[in-house]
Amino acid sequence: EDQVTQSPEALRLQEGESSSLNCSYTVSGLRGLFWYRQDPGKGPEFLFTLYSAGEEKEKERLKATLTKKESFLHITAPKPEDSATYLCAVQAESGYALNFGKGTSLLVTP
Amino acid sequence: EAGVAQSPRYKIIEKRQSVAFWCNPISGHATLYWYQQILGQGPKLLIQFQNNGVVDDSQLPKDRFSAERLKGVDSTLKIQPAKLEDSAVYLCASSKTGDGYTFGSGTRLTVV
Repeated sequence: EDQVTQSPEALRLQEGESSSLNCSYTVSGLRGLFWYRQDPGKGPEFLFTLYSAGEEKEKERLKATLTKKESFLHITAPKPEDSATYLCAVQAESGYALNFGKGTSLLVTP
Repeated sequence: EAGVAQSPRYKIIEKRQSVAFWCNPISGHATLYWYQQILGQGPKLLIQFQNNGVVDDSQLPKDRFSAERLKGVDSTLKIQPAKLEDSAVYLCASSKTGDGYTFGSGTRLTVV
């Protein structure tokens, strides 16, 4: 059975203090690993899709990396507007459904 | 490009009542999904449509939940009768190719 575990559950950073969020996964054949951002009262907003180990993608202060067992979302010099819940999800080769982790709640303080 | 539209935004009902949610996906997106997100959890797939047909409904509690997608566009998700544990946000998403999902803002259901 596919499993996605995110850590930490919650993270509090000072503005400018870089850190990483972890997503460990088990899946029988990975089609893709997805990162989403979710603000309170809103639906998840797409950030990245990674397809193979060694792949990296960047967007502004965010960089996502992928190995065969985990993915990291690196946040460089975060700002308060980066505060949100970050969700990781895997998509198996057998279909297109996303299996989500519970998310990491990030708070960036000025 | 207009996003995924969902209504209502909020709904409060008593247990054993029925409720329906509506979703209008992005134009041209053949695949439509309904997810349930309980507070503090990640979204969980309830049902996936490809055009009019159901692709995956293995996690849909079929004794109380039903969904349809008429004419391969709009979709409705119904719960009858509702239970307290159905309190959650119901998210609709659509995609053109199977990846790159776009989610709507969801319907927050509270069952009292």
